[in-house]
Amino acid sequence: NAGVTQTPKFRVLKTGQSMTLLCAQDMNHEYMYWYRQDPGMGLRLIHYSVGEGTTAKGEVPDGYNVSRLKKQNFLLGLESAAPSQTSVYFCASKPAQGAPSHQPQHFGDGTRLSIL
Amino acid sequence: GESVGLHLPTLSVQEGDNSIINCAYSNSASDYFIWYKQESGKGPQFIIDIRSNMDKRQGQRVTVLLNKTVKHLSLQIAATQPGDSAVYFCAENRDKAAGNKLTFGGGTRVLVKP
Repeated sequence: NAGVTQTPKFRVLKTGQSMTLLCAQDMNHEYMYWYRQDPGMGLRLIHYSVGEGTTAKGEVPDGYNVSRLKKQNFLLGLESAAPSQTSVYFCASKPAQGAPSHQPQHFGDGTRLSIL
Repeated sequence: GESVGLHLPTLSVQEGDNSIINCAYSNSASDYFIWYKQESGKGPQFIIDIRSNMDKRQGQRVTVLLNKTVKHLSLQIAATQPGDSAVYFCAENRDKAAGNKLTFGGGTRVLVKP
């Protein structure tokens, strides 16, 4: 049981380039989340999904897009990378509400992204 | 336990002593709280959680206390060990709508001195 797996672990991009971060979970969780973490700060929610085919905006969605074509995968895209998007990106998943009603989110080990 | 920009609050504790990490939350309607531990280069790891209908919950060497009157959460670690050195985050479930979104505090760094 691998849990939440993020690829790649590290990436350096030039301003204006695009890329996709992949998150995969093998726990059959309904809910998935993408966060960014900047130095010395907590996590901020970018986008989330409550099920296959659904996505919603979080606290800091600008400059990012997401897709949830399969239940186990949640993709985060940067269409035109900017230096302000240099950060560590974390993916998380959890069972749906009501199974039971509160469950903690389980996190991957992150993708470190630098935009030059 | 709230961070200010790049400067994480730091708690230095002697190995074997007890640690207490504090967190203030903002929304009196939050109904669920979690503590996470994050080691360098790793993702947050679940430690313990508590629902708003409780004021105390114990795990293995950890205890979470919830004071809803003053909107305060604390994590107590008994007999702190070198492996407890990490950054600790509290999180609250403010949004009862779809998604069970969490809002994270800024974190507290715990340094265990041998």
